[in-house]
Amino acid sequence: QVQLQESGPGLVKPSQTLSLTCTVSGGSIGSGGYYWSWIRQHPGKALEWIGYIYYSGSTSYNPSLKSRVVISVDTSQNQFSLKLSSVTAADTAVYYCARDASYNSGGIGPLDYWGQGTLVTVSS
Amino acid sequence: QSALTQPPSASGSPGQSVTISCTGTSSDVGGYNYVSWYQQRPGKAPKLIIYEVRKRPSGVPDRFSGSKSGKTASLTVSALRAEDEAEYYCSSYARSNNLVFGGGTKLTVL
Repeated sequence: QVQLQESGPGLVKPSQTLSLTCTVSGGSIGSGGYYWSWIRQHPGKALEWIGYIYYSGSTSYNPSLKSRVVISVDTSQNQFSLKLSSVTAADTAVYYCARDASYNSGGIGPLDYWGQGTLVTVSS
Repeated sequence: QSALTQPPSASGSPGQSVTISCTGTSSDVGGYNYVSWYQQRPGKAPKLIIYEVRKRPSGVPDRFSGSKSGKTASLTVSALRAEDEAEYYCSSYARSNNLVFGGGTKLTVL
């Protein structure tokens, strides 16, 4: 059973960089066949796809966030990470990491395994 | 404002069927068969229940079914049970290599 767990600071100051890590267990990122994604859910409940990474390092980002997002992978630790720069209060959300099973079928999604989510608040 | 439009609420009595719609454009729902549906209970992560319009992951009851016509996808929950009460979200692959979500529908089992 694949499990994902987000970790990182729960409070970030405006204009700083939000950094989160997702640790995967029960499956190896380096085995390929899946993308590894970040999604966020604002307090008003809307979900927003942030982007994904493949074990090789290739990435795809939401065009609306692309200028501020970097997703990286560490296959030796079976982890992938999110960095979102120049944050504002609008970036306050629950951040989820998830596995994307679309590698062999095209498109983006389905997201078949999710972490429990971590709340990040942007405030001074 | 979400990219895909869902009704904010839906309801039905136990044993009845309920259908939730998800309307997009020709750049997302209407252009691709990559529509997924997720069930989210309070305080929990979303759970995948339908993918590629009508496919069910292993373990999801066949009471959940998906379909699509033009720019509108639909999720039907048959033989409603109390445990189906949750928030439901649709998502679709979109042009420019993006994934867009609906605003969510709160399903109440009366």
